[in-house]
Amino acid sequence: ETGVTQTPRHLVMGMTNKKSLKCEQHLGHNAMYWYKQSAKKPLELMFVYSLEERVENNSVPSRFSPECPNSSHLFLHLHTLQPEDSALYLCASSQGGETWDTQYFGPGTRLTVL
Amino acid sequence: AQKITQTQPGMFVQEKEAVTLDCTYDTSDPSYGLFWYKQPSSGEMIFLIYQGSYDQQNATEGRYSLNFQKARKSANLVISASQLGDSAMYFCAMREGRDSSYKLIFGSGTRLLVRP
Repeated sequence: ETGVTQTPRHLVMGMTNKKSLKCEQHLGHNAMYWYKQSAKKPLELMFVYSLEERVENNSVPSRFSPECPNSSHLFLHLHTLQPEDSALYLCASSQGGETWDTQYFGPGTRLTVL
Repeated sequence: AQKITQTQPGMFVQEKEAVTLDCTYDTSDPSYGLFWYKQPSSGEMIFLIYQGSYDQQNATEGRYSLNFQKARKSANLVISASQLGDSAMYFCAMREGRDSSYKLIFGSGTRLLVRP
C-alpha cells in the first residue's frame, strides 16, 4: 500500500490500437514519473512532471505521449506501438526533485503489444 | 561507465540468516542519495531504505541496514533474519544532486531467494 495506483494492471493491444495508462497518487506529492521496465534491462526513466510541467523527457519515441492534468494524475497515451514496447510500465511520485526525495511506485501496468 | 553496479544477478540465503546484497556506484557529484527497492513478482517497487552522501551514520530500517562505504563508493544492503517473504528482486538506485535532477538511476538488480 504505497498510495500510488495504476490502471489497468494488464493490457494487451495490437499495433494499431490506441490506449491510455492511468496513474493516481494520494500522497500529496508534486512530482510524478513514468518508467519502463523491460526484461533483462534496468529501469528506464521516460518522463518526469513537476507541478504539472514536464521537466524531463528521456528521448522517448513519440508513440508515447504523457499527460499530467494535475499533480495527482498522470497518463501515458499509447498509439501505434511496436512489439518491443511490451514491458512493465511503472508510475512513481515524489515530493520534489531533491536527492533525498524518495520515489514511491505504483504496482505497474504489464503491457503486451501483439 | 555504469553509474550503479550490482554484480550478483542471483543469491540464495537460508531462512533466518543474514544476507548482504552488493552495490557500487559512480559519481563525481558530492551530493547524492542512494536507495534500495524491493520488487516482488507482483511487480511493485517497494522502497526499503535511503542513505544520503552527507549522512554520518549508516541507515537502518527494521531488518534492513545499509553498509555505506563512501571511499569505496559502495552501498551494500544487509537483510538480517531473512524471511521467506524477502524472496524478490532488489534494486540499488542513485539520485545525483546536480541541477536538482529528478532522475533515479537503477542498477540491474539482484534476485534473492530465501530457502526454508
